[in-house]
Amino acid sequence: EAQVTQNPRYLITVTGKKLTVTCSQNMNHEYMSWYRQDPGLGLRQIYYSMNVEVTDKGDVPEGYKVSRKEKRNFPLILESPSPNQTSLYFCASSLEGVSEAFFGQGTRLTVV
Amino acid sequence: EDQVTQSPEALRLQEGESSSLNCSYTVSGLRGLFWYRQDPGKGPEFLFTLYSAGEEKEKERLKATLTKKESFLHITAPKPEDSATYLCAVNSGSARQLTFGSGTQLTVLP
Repeated sequence: EAQVTQNPRYLITVTGKKLTVTCSQNMNHEYMSWYRQDPGLGLRQIYYSMNVEVTDKGDVPEGYKVSRKEKRNFPLILESPSPNQTSLYFCASSLEGVSEAFFGQGTRLTVV
Repeated sequence: EDQVTQSPEALRLQEGESSSLNCSYTVSGLRGLFWYRQDPGKGPEFLFTLYSAGEEKEKERLKATLTKKESFLHITAPKPEDSATYLCAVNSGSARQLTFGSGTQLTVLP
């Protein structure tokens, strides 16, 4: 089954404690992205990757890091989380930049 | 910068009451307009892609249309299971993928 898998689904952490949210896709897609979704603001892109070792900033990259060492994986790293990073996070992948994106189930992050 | 505005923010319909959702966009060269459905607590699920003005796509009770400035998602004789948030997104050809609107939360009452 074609899918994008994120882990964990739910996470509560404290300010400043480094965390990683994993994302894996089994469709051999080249393009992968991370979004955050906040009430009234919609989905906003954090980072994207066009291929292995190629990443670039989206609309709201501050406070986040990503890496793309393998085609299937695209982890999101918060090195020093702050309460304003409390949000619902989605990973997505697509075959090309202009084709439909497939989304993971989401990770609800709370930073206290 | 790509911009997407969806209206209304929320819509309540009676079962069988047809209506339309609007997505207005501003892009420098549209490569694709996408409609997604999102259920509470889940990731967006792809519905349609439209590429050029005049194009239409249909799936069950849903029909998406596209002009040079906006897209409509028409819902004919909706059922309660159509209740969800409907998201519109555009791609202007960059590798940044999608720019999303804030969505329309649709509730269909039995």
